[in-house]
Amino acid sequence: EAQVTQNPRYLITVTGKKLTVTCSQNMNHEYMSWYRQDPGLGLRQIYYSMNVEVTDKGDVPEGYKVSRKEKRNFPLILESPSPNQTSLYFCASSDQPGTSGRGRSYNEQFFGPGTRLTVL
Amino acid sequence: KQEVTQIPAALSVPEGENLVLNCSFTDSAIYNLQWFRQDPGKGLTSLLLIQSSQREQTSGRLNASLDKSSGRSTLYIAASQPGDSATYLCAVLRAGGTSYGKLTFGQGTILTVHP
Repeated sequence: EAQVTQNPRYLITVTGKKLTVTCSQNMNHEYMSWYRQDPGLGLRQIYYSMNVEVTDKGDVPEGYKVSRKEKRNFPLILESPSPNQTSLYFCASSDQPGTSGRGRSYNEQFFGPGTRLTVL
Repeated sequence: KQEVTQIPAALSVPEGENLVLNCSFTDSAIYNLQWFRQDPGKGLTSLLLIQSSQREQTSGRLNASLDKSSGRSTLYIAASQPGDSATYLCAVLRAGGTSYGKLTFGQGTILTVHP
């Protein structure tokens, strides 16, 4: 089954304790990205990756790190979490934005189930 | 910077009505526009994807249109049902330039369909 998985699904932690949220996809997608969703602010992109070893900042990258060492995995790292990073996090993947080998673009975004993070 | 706006913010309708949700974006340099559905506390489910070269897409009772030049998309839901109650989000994927590949979401429309 084609899917994007995230772990953990729920996490309560304390300020300053480093944590990693994993994201994995089994669709051989080049493009992966992370979002946070907050009431009144909607979904905002944190980081995205166009391919292995290629990452770029989204709209709200401060306080986060990512790495893309393998095509299927795109972990989100919070080196020193703070309470303002309490949020619902989503990972997503898709084919590479742009034109496919078949001459047409396609990039449906597939989302993971979300990780609810609370930083005390 | 791309901005995506969805109108209305909330909508409550009786079952059976046809309805239209609106999405507008400020930068027409997009690869595609995608409509999602989100149930409370859940993830996002993709409904329809319209490529920048397309005008509309249909799936069952859903029809989405795209007017890239004017920066607008609409999601039409026919014969609404209580099970359609959810938050509907649109998102545009940036094409080219320094923000190549960025995905920007609207704030969503909260739809309630009552029996």
